[in-house]
Amino acid sequence: EAGVVQSPRYKIIEKKQPVAFWCNPISGHNTLYWYLQNLGQGPELLIRYENEEAVDDSQLPKDRFSAERLKGVDSTLKIQPAELGDSAVYLCASSLGGGGSNEQFFGPGTRLTVL
Amino acid sequence: AQSVTQLDSQVPVFEEAPVELRCNYSSSVSVYLFWYVQYPNQGLQLLLKYLSGSTLVKSINGFEAEFNKSQTSFHLRKPSVHISDTAEYFCAVRLQGGSEKLVFGKGTKLTVNP
Repeated sequence: EAGVVQSPRYKIIEKKQPVAFWCNPISGHNTLYWYLQNLGQGPELLIRYENEEAVDDSQLPKDRFSAERLKGVDSTLKIQPAELGDSAVYLCASSLGGGGSNEQFFGPGTRLTVL
Repeated sequence: AQSVTQLDSQVPVFEEAPVELRCNYSSSVSVYLFWYVQYPNQGLQLLLKYLSGSTLVKSINGFEAEFNKSQTSFHLRKPSVHISDTAEYFCAVRLQGGSEKLVFGKGTKLTVNP
């Protein structure tokens, strides 16, 4: 069974440019998460989806970040415009959802460098 | 709100030596506890978890962790490490019965030297 797929794996852009990251969760996983991992830090939740609904986006900087999960499967995270401080690894994870102790499975991440 | 403290940012050890990676958490309600491992240029992988029952949990590759409620700790141990255990280890908590949000510590970089 395929794991969580993310693309691209690496992205280098100039500041003020837009950038988008894509995530395909494990088949059948209703819950999808986007995490931000700064260098030397643990991941921090940006947004959580239950199917196509964003149920926790309190940590998402909405002035420049947006996300969508059309049809409740794949998801895209966008930054527009990117700033130098956005350089980090963006991780996608998925789980069966429904509460309880379901494990979150992580993708390899997208490493963003903003110049 | 819950929080996680990993007391050591880096732990260098020699191969076949024992190791302990420390994790303390803070929460006003019961939590689930997790250890994730991240190898270079890879995503996080679940190493082991405490949900309920026995306070000592073990992974398939020789790691174990013990939940200590009175000390609010979940330290990770291995009696004899291998070069291949070199990675970053993250402790995380999640509220029982609440949001599925994981709160991570800052990580501990374990380096196993020959």
